[in-house]
Amino acid sequence: EVQLSDSGGGLVQPGGSLRLSCAVSGLTFSNFAMSWVRQAPGKGPEWVSVISGRGDSSKYADSVKGRFTISRDNSKNMLYLQMNSLRVEDTAVYYCAKGGSSATFDHWGQGTLVTVSS
Amino acid sequence: QMTQSPSTLSASVGDRVTITCRTSQNISPWLAWYQQKPGKAPKLLIYRASSLEIGVPSRFSGSGSGTEFTLTITSLQPDDFATYYCQQYSSYPGTFGQGTKVEIK
Repeated sequence: EVQLSDSGGGLVQPGGSLRLSCAVSGLTFSNFAMSWVRQAPGKGPEWVSVISGRGDSSKYADSVKGRFTISRDNSKNMLYLQMNSLRVEDTAVYYCAKGGSSATFDHWGQGTLVTVSS
Repeated sequence: QMTQSPSTLSASVGDRVTITCRTSQNISPWLAWYQQKPGKAPKLLIYRASSLEIGVPSRFSGSGSGTEFTLTITSLQPDDFATYYCQQYSSYPGTFGQGTKVEIK
């Protein structure tokens, strides 16, 4: 059974940083692109970033480019999102998801809440 | 640009329900549907406009082409009261609609 478990969210002040983590099991992790998708309160999901299976390429939504960095450790089946220079508008539930930027997301983590507020 | 309608739908158990997703460009067949319950992650129901994800009940179906797509639930069940999102993945980056909440009448 494929399982994704994301963590690392919390309350942070504007301009602050957070690092999200996602532990993945039940599949050959390095074979799949992985994404972070976020959902602001009352809104539809929004794709944030994707990383290739080997970790050698990544893409970002314009709204986070230059501030967020996606990475993965295939030896540990872990996905990460380093979020810097956080803004109030980054407040959302963040999900790790199996899939790419132009693909469906067939498995999701349970979500971790990031709140950016002073 | 993804436009879902209606934004809210009130229905009863046993009803047939149809949700529409319109796009500004031809995206065939790269359209997916997700179901989301409060406090949970979205769940993939339909991909490639009409293909049922493994394990999804057959009362869910997808249809459409070009710029107009529909999700149909025949005989609505208590477990189906949720919010539904369409997603286009024809062009980068994939984008989601604003959602349709199916609530109890």
